[in-house]
Amino acid sequence: AQKITQTQPGMFVQEKEAVTLDCTYDTSDQSYGLFWYKQPSSGEMIFLIYQGSYDEQNATEGRYSLNFQKARKSANLVISASQLGDSAMYFCAMREGSGAGSYQLTFGKGTKLSVIP
Amino acid sequence: DAGVTQSPTHLIKTRGQHVTLRCSPISGHKSVSWYQQVLGQGPQFIFQYYEKEERGRGNFPDRFSARQFPNYSSELNVNALLLGDSALYLCASSLRGAETQYFGPGTRLLVL
Repeated sequence: AQKITQTQPGMFVQEKEAVTLDCTYDTSDQSYGLFWYKQPSSGEMIFLIYQGSYDEQNATEGRYSLNFQKARKSANLVISASQLGDSAMYFCAMREGSGAGSYQLTFGKGTKLSVIP
Repeated sequence: DAGVTQSPTHLIKTRGQHVTLRCSPISGHKSVSWYQQVLGQGPQFIFQYYEKEERGRGNFPDRFSARQFPNYSSELNVNALLLGDSALYLCASSLRGAETQYFGPGTRLLVL
């Protein structure tokens, strides 16, 4: 079973509108972290936002917010007031692991967001 | 402050050759992780190092190896290159490994 599922291969949004990118995850760990990264065509992965499994409030970073629903195992990214520069691939990722093990990130397949003028 | 740097930015090799990719972490970060991203997929974990020790390894063959130096920079080595090794290789650094990982610009490897 996939650990991170992003069901939207591509999304379109009008400039200045809000958009939600979906992400569901699968883990048996109690302690884990969820991340969203943006990857423009240049290839660099840009960190956007983080949510810890024990955080009670949804994370926010400027125009980005994470809609964390623990019982449903979903961590959707909401981008408000979309800008043309938001056009990129967006990846949801999960960090599991603890103790002396590695803290590897497991990524979904990504959602390509296109912002229309 | 400088972010994560990687070299080279692009590389073309032929099957059977060997390649070395380099990564310098953000100043103060002691952990480096390597990921492979093939076209159309999300990155896949290869290695994580912390304080020069290998902390974890993904599902990659022994042709892939890495090391971390005393200055926390890292090298990823791939032997006996296959066409399927063509990908974007991403390096990420974090303070000790468990925190947010910040990525470099990547090295695009093409194997012919």
